[in-house]
Amino acid sequence: EAGVTQFPSHSVIEKGQTVTLRCDPISGHDNLYWYRRVMGKEIKFLLHFVKESKQDESGMPNNRFLAERTGGTYSTLKVQPAELEDSGVYFCASSQEAGRNNEQFFGPGTRLTVL
Amino acid sequence: AQRVTQPEKLLSVFKGAPVELKCNYSYSGSPELFWYVQYSRQRLQLLLRHISRESIKGFTADLNKGETSFHLKKPFAQEEDSAMYYCALRRNYGQNFVFGPGTRLSVLP
Repeated sequence: EAGVTQFPSHSVIEKGQTVTLRCDPISGHDNLYWYRRVMGKEIKFLLHFVKESKQDESGMPNNRFLAERTGGTYSTLKVQPAELEDSGVYFCASSQEAGRNNEQFFGPGTRLTVL
Repeated sequence: AQRVTQPEKLLSVFKGAPVELKCNYSYSGSPELFWYVQYSRQRLQLLLRHISRESIKGFTADLNKGETSFHLKKPFAQEEDSAMYYCALRRNYGQNFVFGPGTRLSVLP
């Protein structure tokens, strides 16, 4: 089992461009979470999918960020247009169910650099 | 609002010395508390959670509701313990984590 995978591992773009990050959760995991750590700050929650539905998107910073999870499998996070302050590491995590013992498994992260 | 604080950005100890990484939280309800660890070039992984009350890799953490703390302790640090440690709070099952800023532990030979 590869675990949670994310693509790309690193992306460098210019301000104003568009970037799409992808996350493949562990097979069978209905819950998928996006987090990010911007420079010098703590890891912050962005949103939570249960299958293809957005359960909680309270952490999305603004409407430049769009997350999708078509078919309830992989998820994409698009930033359009990217700004300098979007630079950071974007993590994805998945869990099997929303029960007491559920564990969130994290992906390796995508490092986004906006120039 | 929920908040997790870790007062030390960097903690250096010598091999064999005891180590304590501090974590305090603010939350009006009954949260779940976790410690996550990220070793160099590896992904974030769960170290332990307060509900399981177990010791992992020699680390323990006790939830103190009176002091709203969940400090991570190990009696004898090893060099392989060097990593970034994050304390995290979860309000309810299946909900997202609120992370602290992290403490980088460096265990010196």
